[in-house]
Amino acid sequence: GAGVSQTPSNKVTEKGKYVELRCDPISGHTALYWYRQSLGQGPEFLIYFQGTGAADDSGLPNDRFFAVRPEGSVSTLKIQRTERGDSAVYLCASSSRQQERAFFGQGTRLTVV
Amino acid sequence: SQQGEEDPQALSIQEGENATMNCSYKTSINNLQWYRQNSGRGLVHLILIRSNEREKHSGRLRVTLDTSKKSSSLLITASRAADTASYFCATDTSGSARQLTFGSGTQLTVLP
Repeated sequence: GAGVSQTPSNKVTEKGKYVELRCDPISGHTALYWYRQSLGQGPEFLIYFQGTGAADDSGLPNDRFFAVRPEGSVSTLKIQRTERGDSAVYLCASSSRQQERAFFGQGTRLTVV
Repeated sequence: SQQGEEDPQALSIQEGENATMNCSYKTSINNLQWYRQNSGRGLVHLILIRSNEREKHSGRLRVTLDTSKKSSSLLITASRAADTASYFCATDTSGSARQLTFGSGTQLTVLP
């Protein structure tokens, strides 16, 4: 596709439920990033993939959060036992290997009620 | 954690005026980037300035970088109502967008 695609654009879930957020990066981009943005704040880094492997997952807040990228393209961010504090916009970005800038998707707004 | 801090947090100006936003950061960087965000959704890359550059222009945008003070500024000249958005600086310590660290942003409102 022409840009980074994220689905769903909005997700409302009940506390304690499991959610999956999907990111479809720009074709050919080997690097993929997940960020989380709370209201009134800047995005905060969660995890970075280079190809299929998570090269840096230091931003994941706890073990309820997990992300995969099994074929080096589409990535899924998985959140178990959601809490109200997980409510935020989850942003995905991708870049080519030597690129310095990242291309962001429109984000998924997650609301945990 | 957020490395950059933007100043001011909010800025309101009239159409046609210039808008200046500042960003300070804490650690050594490879480059600094400015992004724009409308309505709390996707981020759009505006401009990148490398650590060995002092000033860069792109259309109505002018970015400066002072590595000795660990600060950057973004100037938007002849502002338009369509420039209304949140603006974020992001520092890159790796040189390959590996882990951009964003500031908390400046909310710019341009009044028609």
